[in-house]
Amino acid sequence: TQLLEQSPQFLSIQEGENLTVYCNSSSVFSSLQWYRQEPGEGPVLLVTVVTGGEVKKLKRLTFQFGDARKDSSLHITAAQPGDTGLYLCAGDKGNKLVFGAGTILRVKS
Amino acid sequence: DVKVTQSSRYLVKRTGEKVFLECVQDMDHENMFWYRQDPGLGLRLIYFSYDVKMKEKGDIPEGYSVSREKKERFSLILESASTNQTSMYLCASLRPGAGVVYEQYFGPGTRLTVT
Repeated sequence: TQLLEQSPQFLSIQEGENLTVYCNSSSVFSSLQWYRQEPGEGPVLLVTVVTGGEVKKLKRLTFQFGDARKDSSLHITAAQPGDTGLYLCAGDKGNKLVFGAGTILRVKS
Repeated sequence: DVKVTQSSRYLVKRTGEKVFLECVQDMDHENMFWYRQDPGLGLRLIYFSYDVKMKEKGDIPEGYSVSREKKERFSLILESASTNQTSMYLCASLRPGAGVVYEQYFGPGTRLTVT
């Protein structure tokens, strides 16, 4: 059983569409991170959210941390083929990170 | 920029072989981690280390051991490789951020196939 559940598992959309990826848990995290991983590479940190209700923007990407610090979402506006990759959320459980299974995003041109 | 390097990108080993995966970071980070990544399961923590000669079991340590003789190097050892250890192995180094925020930096991964 995953401590962090990500949905959807796969997403295939056309360039220009918007999308949202969800990361849910029954546990509270002191912070939550989002990573993006391209094939054959290690994950790269996109953002860390710390405060309940926090919203962070990174160009066309908007990250939100739930008020109770148990869930998070990633919204991409006007997706581009360069956004294609595996998106992972990870919750901070003190001395280690707990990862979700990931969402594979494919943006078609 | 933080750089985490792993000794091999691809590795093919036979069942029963002893396998060494090496990881080196150049940012003087104290904390280092080994994960394996499998489709649909995400990243699962095998072992981590807080300091030289210190190690802690992660969630799936069975069949693995680690070595941290120098701060910059963290090695993962498969004592007797088995086919169910075929996976992508990722090493990470941790930079403590502000407050309780921890940011991990990953190497490119080693794709290990055990035949």
